[in-house]
Amino acid sequence: AQSVAQPEDQVNVAEGNPLTVKCTYSVSGNPYLFWYVQYPNRGLQFLLKYITGDNLVKGSYGFEAEFNKSQTSFHLKKPSALVSDSALYFCAVRDSTNAGKSTFGDGTTLTVKP
Amino acid sequence: DTEVTQTPKHLVMGMTNKKSLKCEQHMGHRAMYWYKQKAKKPPELMFVYSYEKLSINESVPSRFSPECPNSSLLNLHLHALQPEDSALYLCASSHLERQGRGANVLTFGAGSRLTVL
Repeated sequence: AQSVAQPEDQVNVAEGNPLTVKCTYSVSGNPYLFWYVQYPNRGLQFLLKYITGDNLVKGSYGFEAEFNKSQTSFHLKKPSALVSDSALYFCAVRDSTNAGKSTFGDGTTLTVKP
Repeated sequence: DTEVTQTPKHLVMGMTNKKSLKCEQHMGHRAMYWYKQKAKKPPELMFVYSYEKLSINESVPSRFSPECPNSSLLNLHLHALQPEDSALYLCASSHLERQGRGANVLTFGAGSRLTVL
């Protein structure tokens, strides 16, 4: 079985401040972890992934995420938030043995205020 | 071409109508997916096609009928839908792990917003 949790429905930050969007996961085997972003009335866009290798993963638009195996977490971070980062963010996990079927978290709405 | 194209963008249909949603990609992806998404909720997997064969059906009601005519096209045929089926329907595609390239990173279309009256 695989599951993912995003404990915060909403994250508010001021422009220029660092941001963190939290994600924890549970899988039986090795985790494949993903972050996607969704702007209003659009599909989801891929930001970054962790499959194997370095625990710190860098992705699109200046975002990064750190894989922490002991805490089963994959938090999304950005050093300096932009108003245009405001969107709905989804963490997703797939067990390495579960081909084709990713499980999405409930999503976190990020609001960046000027 | 790095896009997944979905048509129509909006669809309004009655409960007795028959309609279809269409999806197209030209990225060489051999896995294609249908997801259903309600407002501010995560996408829910409906169907997965691998090499044009249905590999996952998440116990979706038979009023939804998927079809994959070739490696670039994916359809979702709709018949006798209920008002609770109103949602954003997202198509996605990805490489398969055996293709060894960016496995399982999903590329989503913009979606078809369906309203059932």
